[in-house]
Amino acid sequence: AQRVTQPEKLLSVFKGAPVELKCNYSYSGSPELFWYVQYSRQRLQLLLRHISRESIKGFTADLNKGETSFHLKKPFAQEEDSAMYYCALTTSYGKLTFGQGTILTVHP
Amino acid sequence: SQTIHQWPATLVQPVGSPLSLECTVEGTSNPNLYWYRQAAGRGLQLLFYSVGIGQISSEVPQNLSASRPQDRQFILSSKKLLLSDSGFYLCACSKGVRETQYFGPGTRLLVL
Repeated sequence: AQRVTQPEKLLSVFKGAPVELKCNYSYSGSPELFWYVQYSRQRLQLLLRHISRESIKGFTADLNKGETSFHLKKPFAQEEDSAMYYCALTTSYGKLTFGQGTILTVHP
Repeated sequence: SQTIHQWPATLVQPVGSPLSLECTVEGTSNPNLYWYRQAAGRGLQLLFYSVGIGQISSEVPQNLSASRPQDRQFILSSKKLLLSDSGFYLCACSKGVRETQYFGPGTRLLVL
């Protein structure tokens, strides 16, 4: 069965500092990985997906199949990045398996 | 683009009472529909998903059931609520398997 692990429940950084939200997964097939974000008082929404290989709001994430990781990175964090971040994996059936989530707080 | 509505937004129910949460989708047809639950201190857990009218797959054995009476309507139900049913319930839709999922605003359920 697939599993997604986000080891950090809380992550605090200062504005302008680099940030990395960790995500590791286990799945025997060929997964598709996503990062979803929930800002305060907003709906859960897609931030990026590995298949797109694009940068959204300065965030990037690289799928490392050897380490089974999909860490989310941003070189210079902004206060508006403060939110709950979920890493998620989907299989061929389209069912999303979410990690526990990481609450990112960016201090001024 | 698709819009997902959920109601009610919040609900307080006594143990043993029935439950009906509704999710409707606009802006797309024949979507895949999903119900998730987020319990306090835990991540999002997939409860049910549906690829078409009347087609429901359950992910976790529990006190809840789901139905899809219309293409863009997804209902989460219970005959008798338990304390452990408290949580935040999210409905989501996607255009197909492995596609991006779009989420509703959620329903916060408190069972007392």
